[in-house]
Amino acid sequence: GAGVSQSPRYKVAKRGQDVALRCDPISGHVSLFWYQQALGQGPEFLTYFQNEAQLDKSGLPSDRFFAERPEGSVSTLKIQRTQQEDSAVYLCASSVREGGYEQYFGPGTRLTVT
Amino acid sequence: GESVGLHLPTLSVQEGDNSIINCAYSNSASDYFIWYKQESGKGPQFIIDIRSNMDKRQGQRVTVLLNKTVKHLSLQIAATQPGDSAVYFCAEKSGGSQGNLIFGKGTKLSVKP
Repeated sequence: GAGVSQSPRYKVAKRGQDVALRCDPISGHVSLFWYQQALGQGPEFLTYFQNEAQLDKSGLPSDRFFAERPEGSVSTLKIQRTQQEDSAVYLCASSVREGGYEQYFGPGTRLTVT
Repeated sequence: GESVGLHLPTLSVQEGDNSIINCAYSNSASDYFIWYKQESGKGPQFIIDIRSNMDKRQGQRVTVLLNKTVKHLSLQIAATQPGDSAVYFCAEKSGGSQGNLIFGKGTKLSVKP
């Protein structure tokens, strides 16, 4: 079946621009996670949704980062006034369960801020 | 492609040999663990998971061992194949967390034909 999809796969932004990254989770998955992966590192948690409720946003690095999942399916991660340190791969994961078990990842969006 | 493997511990094995990838975790409250495989330019791929009430779990060609006494996790891959070449991450979930995974640094597995 279809896995987690993300778009765009690659995004180049000039410093100061706003970007929006989209995640389509596996159909029926209630939990959705965003992670940030820097080059050569493991993914780091950003935020977690259970259906449309954002239950944990403790990993968002600044108030320039905002995520939403208004109807409990598709999610968007928005970064305002991008900075060079935002350059990374942004990964989305979903799970049919609550609580973080069995998370399946999408291919990621590589963001490069110039 | 993405250079996920930079500055990572590397394990090099001969095709057909068994591989063992190790991971230490620090949080004694972690109650769930997952191994992921990540190929260049792709997202992490779920391999196998284990809960803290178990010490061993087997899948197809893979076995995960959990030693809670020393906070150690290992992934064993039987009859390693060239397609197994990738970066492998262990991840843990704290029993007290909402659900976020904490990832280890990763190990790059290279399989020589």
